[in-house]
Amino acid sequence: DTAVSQTPKYLVTQMGNDKSIKCEQNLGHDTMYWYKQDSKKFLKIMFSYNNKELIINETVPNRFSPKSPDKAHLNLHINSLELGDSAVYFCASSQGGAGGPGEQFFGPGTRLTVL
Amino acid sequence: AQSVAQPEDQVNVAEGNPLTVKCTYSVSGNPYLFWYVQYPNRGLQFLLKYITGDNLVKGSYGFEAEFNKSQTSFHLKKPSALVSDSALYFCAVRDGTGFQKLVFGTGTRLLVSP
Repeated sequence: DTAVSQTPKYLVTQMGNDKSIKCEQNLGHDTMYWYKQDSKKFLKIMFSYNNKELIINETVPNRFSPKSPDKAHLNLHINSLELGDSAVYFCASSQGGAGGPGEQFFGPGTRLTVL
Repeated sequence: AQSVAQPEDQVNVAEGNPLTVKCTYSVSGNPYLFWYVQYPNRGLQFLLKYITGDNLVKGSYGFEAEFNKSQTSFHLKKPSALVSDSALYFCAVRDGTGFQKLVFGTGTRLLVSP
């Protein structure tokens, strides 16, 4: 009964390829997020969706495109992968909107390696 | 814009001793403060939060944190450390006034020796 799940767990690909990471939460939360954690463990928000609507879009290259088919799913598609995209990507969810007091629940992460 | 600082990259403590992991924050409105823990190759796990009310907040695994408004701090504490507490700890803050994103500190690695 995993709360926030991501697939795949590991992703190794060549520069220039296009790849997707999927995220699902079964907590009934209305808000989902994508974070990027770099090699120094610095964690930065990329996107947030509330009830399928994009509400946070940080200064992320437009090669990254989130898609939320419903409020339980938030997928991340990355075009034309670059070496600098190598990182661990975390999905998270919370209840009450990104500006509310609810804590965020994180998925296990997807380690992306671009060769 | 809100920000959070974790001044120590690493904290070393012997098992059984008390531990403190420091966090200071900056927001223009009322802060929502959180502590998360990350074990190797895992996602972040929520430990505790301060939204309003009692300045001493108790959380999971025996951890607690004290909100100090005058010092803009939210230090994480535990009376008696366990080797299994060794992990990466993140403090995070959000401005509770209006809509703001959650901002994380750079993390503090806690190493508890037997």
